[in-house]
Amino acid sequence: DTAVSQTPKYLVTQMGNDKSIKCEQNLGHDTMYWYKQDSKKFLKIMFSYNNKELIINETVPNRFSPKSPDKAHLNLHINSLELGDSAVYFCASSHRTATEAFFGQGTRLTVV
Amino acid sequence: AQSVTQPDIHITVSEGASLELRCNYSYGATPYLFWYVQSPGQGLQLLLKYFSGDTLVQGIKGFEAEFKRSQSSFNLRKPSVHWSDAAEYFCAVAGFYNQGGKLIFGQGTELSVKP
Repeated sequence: DTAVSQTPKYLVTQMGNDKSIKCEQNLGHDTMYWYKQDSKKFLKIMFSYNNKELIINETVPNRFSPKSPDKAHLNLHINSLELGDSAVYFCASSHRTATEAFFGQGTRLTVV
Repeated sequence: AQSVTQPDIHITVSEGASLELRCNYSYGATPYLFWYVQSPGQGLQLLLKYFSGDTLVQGIKGFEAEFKRSQSSFNLRKPSVHWSDAAEYFCAVAGFYNQGGKLIFGQGTELSVKP
């Protein structure tokens, strides 16, 4: 069973489009995250949700809007996509905020 | 500011040789430290973690790491590298209770293994 799953794995889209990435975890965790990995493989947190409540928003443009319908899901919607949004986006989850995070396989977003 | 530095961007070792990947951190309080591995096209897999206690921690796949507070280091080691260990390795530090579990990552070290 996949612990943290993201869909889609690959996403190619044109500038200006709106797209969503879905994330689900079956670990029973109550904290979920979105991380962005750039072309140099640098990883940086974007958002953190605990019990569906936003607790970290790391100065991400408001074109990015996370939504957590329940503790097991954290989706990422991106409006008006730009070339600079091309990256790999990782979803992760943890038990509360005080344990290690488990990562999904990543979604490679390419904006053309 | 909190930060993690992995001084080596790329390391090449021969199969069967020992490995040490360096990690230095800057953190105001007792850090929670992690090593993750990323194989090509894959997500991040946790190798090991340090929260407290014994400063030498054992992880999966035969890896270990030693926390040295005086040197602000958390180096990853493996006595004998296998070809399947070729991957990108990330060191990370976390602030939990007051930072929402945010992981701060180093730049990563790419490991190549020669046959």
